[in-house]
Amino acid sequence: DTGVSQNPRHKITKRGQNVTFRCDPISEHNRLYWYRQTLGQGPEFLTYFQNEAQLEKSRLLSDRFSAERPKGSFSTLEIQRTEQGDSAMYLCASSARNTPDTQYFGPGTRLTVL
Amino acid sequence: GQQLNQSPQSMFIQEGEDVSMNCTSSSIFNTWLWYKQDPGEGPVLLIALYKAGELTSNGRLTAQFGITRKDSFLNISASIPSDVGIYFCAWGGGADGLTFGKGTHLIIQP
Repeated sequence: DTGVSQNPRHKITKRGQNVTFRCDPISEHNRLYWYRQTLGQGPEFLTYFQNEAQLEKSRLLSDRFSAERPKGSFSTLEIQRTEQGDSAMYLCASSARNTPDTQYFGPGTRLTVL
Repeated sequence: GQQLNQSPQSMFIQEGEDVSMNCTSSSIFNTWLWYKQDPGEGPVLLIALYKAGELTSNGRLTAQFGITRKDSFLNISASIPSDVGIYFCAWGGGADGLTFGKGTHLIIQP
């Protein structure tokens, strides 16, 4: 039973660099979500895909953030021109068609921007 | 906007004690979920609730979806050291992802 996987688990980058994170959902799940979590807070929804279609992206934090799911399987989240305020845990979750709110999370990618 | 209040913020208990935490909202929700998160890891789904009044157990954990659909509680019986962590309630109700509470930190004193 493979759950949601994310790579890398940790990323340290310098301010101004671009970073890309990958998420592989549970294989039979058609919905994929990205969240951000800062210290002391619960996860905050960013965007989601149903198959390859990005159905909600208005909650992405700025135009420096973008996400793709080109073949409806894995997804990538890119942050361009990183800022120190982007330092956070980025979480991916997936869910099945008939229970969209029952979301299973990956281990997250911890981003540190120096 | 919708408010989701989770309490208590933290709990210091002795091993073997029972634990109770709850979430309340200003809006009616369709789904309540309870997650546990360990440091440096993603949240792990504990219990999902879909109907008002529903009471569901998962081992030593029991959760209920309030009859008004505006609240939920999570109980842990006979706590053990591995129960330490942050417990989040979350609600889902559409295409905007899940909305999470601020979490309850559970600390178990030996």
